[in-house]
Amino acid sequence: EDKVVQSPLSLVVHEGDTVTLNCSYEVTNFRSLLWYKQEKKAPTFLFMLTSSGIEKKSGRLSSILDKKELFSILNITATQTGDSAIYLCAGGSGNTGKLIFGQGTTLQVKP
Amino acid sequence: DAGVIQSPRHEVTEMGQEVTLRCKPISGHNSLFWYRQTMMRGLELLIYFNNNVPIDDSGMPEDRFSAKMPNASFSTLKIQPSEPRDSAVYFCASTKIEGRYGYTFGSGTRLTVV
Repeated sequence: EDKVVQSPLSLVVHEGDTVTLNCSYEVTNFRSLLWYKQEKKAPTFLFMLTSSGIEKKSGRLSSILDKKELFSILNITATQTGDSAIYLCAGGSGNTGKLIFGQGTTLQVKP
Repeated sequence: DAGVIQSPRHEVTEMGQEVTLRCKPISGHNSLFWYRQTMMRGLELLIYFNNNVPIDDSGMPEDRFSAKMPNASFSTLKIQPSEPRDSAVYFCASTKIEGRYGYTFGSGTRLTVV
């Protein structure tokens, strides 16, 4: 059965801290690994990773994929209160566009 | 582009009533997905369509749930009869089958069954 597991499930940090969110996956016909940020409404797209070892960056956020170990991490440096959200990892299966989501990591950044 | 449009935004209904949720995907997207999100179970895939054809409905919890996609610009998720345990946020998402661009989610429908 396809499975995506995130850790930790929740995290509380202070502004300025650096955090690392983890995602492991077992997805049939794996194609891509995606990260989403969910605040109060719908998840919004952050990154899509398809190749091992190539870091993707967007401002203070970065992510990398290890297809040998079936693992991805999302790093957030110099965290801000606006980074407080649920971060979702999802594995893309085959050519169908189907995504299997992890449970999410709830990040709270305190001032 | 208006994005993925879902309606209604909120729905409160009594147990036993029929509920219909609606979704308009982004124009040009040929895959559509229905997800349910709860605190306990996170985001669960219910069903998805490629080119209006249902591909995998194994996530539909039981026969009370049904989904249709009569054309490329409209889909419905129906619950009949509804039960309190169906209370959740239901998201619709669309993408291109090639999966290259990731999903775009709608704003969700918050369903409360009392």
